[in-house]
Amino acid sequence: NAGVTQTPKFQVLKTGQSMTLQCAQDMNHNSMYWYRQDPGMGLRLIYYSASEGTTDKGEVPNGYNVSRLNKREFSLRLESAAPSQTSVYFCASRDRTGGAETQYFGPGTRLLVL
Amino acid sequence: GEDVEQSLFLSVREGDSSVINCTYTDSSSTYLYWYKQEPGAGLQLLTYIFSNMDMKQDQRLTVLLNKKDKHLSLRIADTQTGDSAIYFCAESMAGNQFYFGTGTSLTVIP
Repeated sequence: NAGVTQTPKFQVLKTGQSMTLQCAQDMNHNSMYWYRQDPGMGLRLIYYSASEGTTDKGEVPNGYNVSRLNKREFSLRLESAAPSQTSVYFCASRDRTGGAETQYFGPGTRLLVL
Repeated sequence: GEDVEQSLFLSVREGDSSVINCTYTDSSSTYLYWYKQEPGAGLQLLTYIFSNMDMKQDQRLTVLLNKKDKHLSLRIADTQTGDSAIYFCAESMAGNQFYFGTGTSLTVIP
């Protein structure tokens, strides 16, 4: 039981390059999330997926796309990276069953866009 | 987005209680959360409270919610050096929209 895994751990891109951040969870949670964390700020929600086959925009979706490939996997794509997308990206999963809630976060992907 | 505010720093002596405060703006928030983040790691959900509750206790953690003032607090009893970390509060509404505060860095002095 690995929880939430993210790849890669680190990435350096040049402006205009594209990349996909991968996230997988093995807890059979329905909901998955992508956040970014900038220095001195809390997490901001980019996109979420309430269930397999659905995705919705969060607070800061511009410049990103997502795919909920199956129940386990939720990927985040930067089509044309910009320096403003330099950040730490966290994936999370969530389950709310019988009034009890669990959430797990991945270790993060540190992205530098030059 | 919503404004969730926290003080930036808190320093306490080992064995004392820590109280971390948070204010939020949206009265329609359904759940309010507290998370812990250690250096270089992802967030860990510590506890949460439903908006129709005033208090929740979970071992050393006590959450107080004042809906009238939109104020949330986290009290950590008998604070230990392992509690040194950044603590975030967050509110959620409409199920899946989460808004986080900027975090409070807690330093525990031995």
